[in-house]
Amino acid sequence: QQQVKQSPQSLIVQKGGISIINCAYENTAFDYFPWYQQFPGKGPALLIAIRPDVSEKKEGRFTISFNKSAKQFSLHIMDSQPGDSATYFCAATYRDDKIIFGKGTRLHILP
Amino acid sequence: DAGVTQSPTHLIKTRGQHVTLRCSPISGHKSVSWYQQVLGQGPQFIFQYYEKEERGRGNFPDRFSARQFPNYSSELNVNALLLGDSALYLCASSLEWSFDEQFFGPGTRLTVL
Repeated sequence: QQQVKQSPQSLIVQKGGISIINCAYENTAFDYFPWYQQFPGKGPALLIAIRPDVSEKKEGRFTISFNKSAKQFSLHIMDSQPGDSATYFCAATYRDDKIIFGKGTRLHILP
Repeated sequence: DAGVTQSPTHLIKTRGQHVTLRCSPISGHKSVSWYQQVLGQGPQFIFQYYEKEERGRGNFPDRFSARQFPNYSSELNVNALLLGDSALYLCASSLEWSFDEQFFGPGTRLTVL
């Protein structure tokens, strides 16, 4: 019940294409859903986040789609670029005292 | 402005030893959280401290402890090290008691032999 299931484990996308990463959760008490980007040798960096009262949030080329009834949320990267090649983590938090991360998706954008 | 800093960068210890990892948050940030990231996995939440008090704890054994100092810097201590403690230990800071707008440091790579 405390898990956040992330898929796919790895993803290869052509430059200019759309990258889509999915996450699913079970605990309806989760109240904040961030996505992080991590490059090798670096700590994760917050990319974009959403709260469950919103179905979609867009920031530049990055969009979160949130489906509360299905308990799923996804990250869409439009016009994917080689510089987007990194590992992406979804996460979910509740009560400001717990945060659960997905296992990560290694994204590779072909030039 | 400097980001979150962590020391040391790398550390090698043997089983049974004790280790102390250090974190300095971004200036003005009052909350520090600690995470363990095993190779190929997502970060796992260990502790969150706000205003020098523990505000959240993950599912880690009592061998793990932490504290936050008056200047908001923090230490993570791990006793009786096991091989399975080998990981990247990440520190993150945020303005207030929240996981919103967390900024991560580069981490400390701990190897237990």
